[in-house]
Amino acid sequence: EAGVTQFPSHSVIEKGQTVTLRCDPISGHDNLYWYRRVMGKEIKFLLHFVKESKQDESGMPNNRFLAERTGGTYSTLKVQPAELEDSGVYFCASSQVGQAKNIQYFGAGTRLSVL
Amino acid sequence: RKEVEQDPGPFNVPEGATVAFNCTYSNSASQSFFWYRQDCRKEPKLLMSVYSSGNEDGRFTAQLNRASQYISLLIRDSKLSDSATYLCVVNKGGSGNTPLVFGKGTRLSVIA
Repeated sequence: EAGVTQFPSHSVIEKGQTVTLRCDPISGHDNLYWYRRVMGKEIKFLLHFVKESKQDESGMPNNRFLAERTGGTYSTLKVQPAELEDSGVYFCASSQVGQAKNIQYFGAGTRLSVL
Repeated sequence: RKEVEQDPGPFNVPEGATVAFNCTYSNSASQSFFWYRQDCRKEPKLLMSVYSSGNEDGRFTAQLNRASQYISLLIRDSKLSDSATYLCVVNKGGSGNTPLVFGKGTRLSVIA
């Protein structure tokens, strides 16, 4: 069974450009989470989907970030316009709804560099 | 105060050594506790869940003290392949599908 997949694995863009990251969760996982690790800091939560609905977007840094999960399958995270401080590794994770422990499985991440 | 605090290390230990990592968390509403392992430039992978009663998985033992809000991980008979960053992780609060809160990680290097 395929794990969580993310695309692209790396992205290098200039400040002011737009980038769209994609995440395909494990099949059957209705929970989908986006996290980010900036250099020297811990991994931090961005937002949580349950199917196509945003359950919690308290971690989104500002309105330059837009996440969607149309149809409740894959999700995209768009950064527009990108700023230097957006550089980091963006991880996606998924889990099954209703699990007591909510074990989340992570994708390999997208390494974003904004120059 | 950070939500999850860990000693960043690095811990440099010889093969066969026993090493212990500790972590404290600030949110008393957290209900789920984990240790994840992250290799260099890879994704975090679940090592083990942590229960109040303590749990063991081979050479790895995890403990949780809810009163002190303290989590530990013990690795016995360290192998070269145990070299990685160990992330202490708790859920944001409550039960169910709440997001995870990560510590910065503790780096372990096992040396031959």
